[in-house]
Amino acid sequence: KQEVTQIPAALSVPEGENLVLNCSFTDSAIYNLQWFRQDPGKGLTSLLLIQSSQREQTSGRLNASLDKSSGRSTLYIAASQPGDSATYLCAVPPDAGGTSYGKLTFGQGTILTVHP
Amino acid sequence: DTAVSQTPKYLVTQMGNDKSIKCEQNLGHDTMYWYKQDSKKFLKIMFSYNNKELIINETVPNRFSPKSPDKAHLNLHINSLELGDSAVYFCASSQDIYEQYFGPGTRLTVT
Repeated sequence: KQEVTQIPAALSVPEGENLVLNCSFTDSAIYNLQWFRQDPGKGLTSLLLIQSSQREQTSGRLNASLDKSSGRSTLYIAASQPGDSATYLCAVPPDAGGTSYGKLTFGQGTILTVHP
Repeated sequence: DTAVSQTPKYLVTQMGNDKSIKCEQNLGHDTMYWYKQDSKKFLKIMFSYNNKELIINETVPNRFSPKSPDKAHLNLHINSLELGDSAVYFCASSQDIYEQYFGPGTRLTVT
């Protein structure tokens, strides 16, 4: 059974800092890894998706890396801003079809607060 | 244009009632999902449909019944609501097993 863990559970930083959020998963047989952002009372916004064959993906100030064999991913946020404050979630689907098709297993998230 | 939409956004009802939540996606995706986010913010999949066919059916009480009239819609009907059903329910869609796009959520409160 896949388990996804995110560390730290919460993080508070001053504006401008670079920061790293961590995600680990127990079963390396994943199809891809997706990072999401959730604002309070809102839905999930997809930030980055890394295919299992890729090592990293970049979008603006965000960079996500994937080490599938060790079961780890990191989300790097450069020059953080107060608008980055949100909960960040990582999720993985299994590398299998059938009844597991597209089944995302989520971590519990990292609550990020960036203060001015 | 909203990619994945859900109605209603908020739903307050009494125990024992039956209610439905609707989901629609205009992305042309062939797979749709329902997730539940509990009070501790933990997200867990409930169901998925691929081309109107049920694929994933997690350990969910029989009181929950998804219905997919077509590829663009996946509704969730809940019978005999219980206090423990209070949560935020998210609909999502994807093309095959790729990136999933989520709706804004429906906050269900059972009193």
